[in-house]
Formats: sequence, structure tokens, C-alpha cells
Amino acid sequence: DTAVSQTPKYLVTQMGNDKSIKCEQNLGHDTMYWYKQDSKKFLKIMFSYNNKELIINETVPNRFSPKSPDKAHLNLHINSLELGDSAVYFCASSWGGASSTDTQYFGPGTRLTVL
Amino acid sequence: SQQGEEDPQALSIQEGENATMNCSYKTSINNLQWYRQNSGRGLVHLILIRSNEREKHSGRLRVTLDTSKKSSSLLITASRAADTASYFCATDGGSEKLVFGKGTKLTVNP
Repeated sequence: DTAVSQTPKYLVTQMGNDKSIKCEQNLGHDTMYWYKQDSKKFLKIMFSYNNKELIINETVPNRFSPKSPDKAHLNLHINSLELGDSAVYFCASSWGGASSTDTQYFGPGTRLTVL
Repeated sequence: SQQGEEDPQALSIQEGENATMNCSYKTSINNLQWYRQNSGRGLVHLILIRSNEREKHSGRLRVTLDTSKKSSSLLITASRAADTASYFCATDGGSEKLVFGKGTKLTVNP
């Protein structure tokens, strides 16, 4: 009965590879997010989707491509992985529009290590 | 940047003591939120305080907001070892996204 789930939990891969991280929420929320947390614990938003529509697209390399097949899923595909992509990636969701007044519910995170 | 800045960066106390963490931000906000992150886990929402509120309580948590000083504080009373975690403030700055600070790492020693 996990609210926001991510797979995989750990991802170790070589530079140059392409990988995907999946996220699903069963809360019925309309908005989903991807965040990146670096080694210094700084958490920065990457993307947000509202009902499958891209709302926020921060200054993220275009090697990162989010895809939302339906409002319960938001996947993150990363092409040509670089060392600097190593981080923990969190998915989150919230009610209603991409409004900052809404509480966000976070997944457990995916620790990506690029060798 | 609309980033909130928590202070101190790290705090170590004994069980039973109170823990106070501060957050300062730069632009006007609609609300400010506090989140907790246990080691290796996702963030968990603790409390949201709106710009027209000055104080809010939730169990052992007390949050204050001073919009004139652009600052907020999170007080955890009678701390427990289970409160050991990183605590983040997040502000909206009037935009459609939350901007998180770098967090305060709290260690509660048994």
C-alpha cells in the first residue's frame, strides 16, 4: 500500500549508458515531480507534471526526459549518463495543480551511481 | 534565488532536550513548509504555515513564521532518538514550485 513508489532503489551503471527510473503513486494526485538530491543533500526540482502535462522544466540537460503515460506514473529516462548525474533522485506527488501550497509526498528515492 | 537556508547545518542534543532549527528565505512567500528526511529515505511533510499565520503546532512540533524578517523556526520539544534526521524548510516564493534549503542535520543522543 505504498503511496509513492520508485524502482529501482539502487542503480549502478557505466558512463554513457541510458537508464530509466520509474515512479508510481496510488494517492490519486494530479501532480508529480522529479527532484535531484546531490551529495550535500541539496534537493532541487527537475520536472513537474500535472495530469500528464509538463508544468515545470528546470534547467536540466536534455539528456533527461520525463514521461508521464498517465497521471499515476512519471518516469525519468536519462541518456548518455555522466559522472555528475550520480545522485539520489526522488519522485513526489501532490493534489491539484502544480501549486506549492500543496503538501508533497515523496518516494523512497533512487540512488544512481555512474562509474 | 528563493532558496531557504537552514541554520544550524548540524545540531546534536541529548534525548529530552528541545531542538530549534531556523530557516531564512529571500523573497515573499505564500507559505513555508517543513519536511523531515531520515537517513536513506524520502522526505516526509511535517507542517505547513501560511504567510498570514505566525505560529502553528503539531504534536511536539512548533513552527513560527516572521514574514518581516523572512524567517521561520521549527522547535521539537522533548526530543527522542527517533527524531534524528535532516530537517528541511521549503518555500514557494510565490511561484509554482517548492524550493528547499540545504537542511539541518539533527542528532538526538540517547
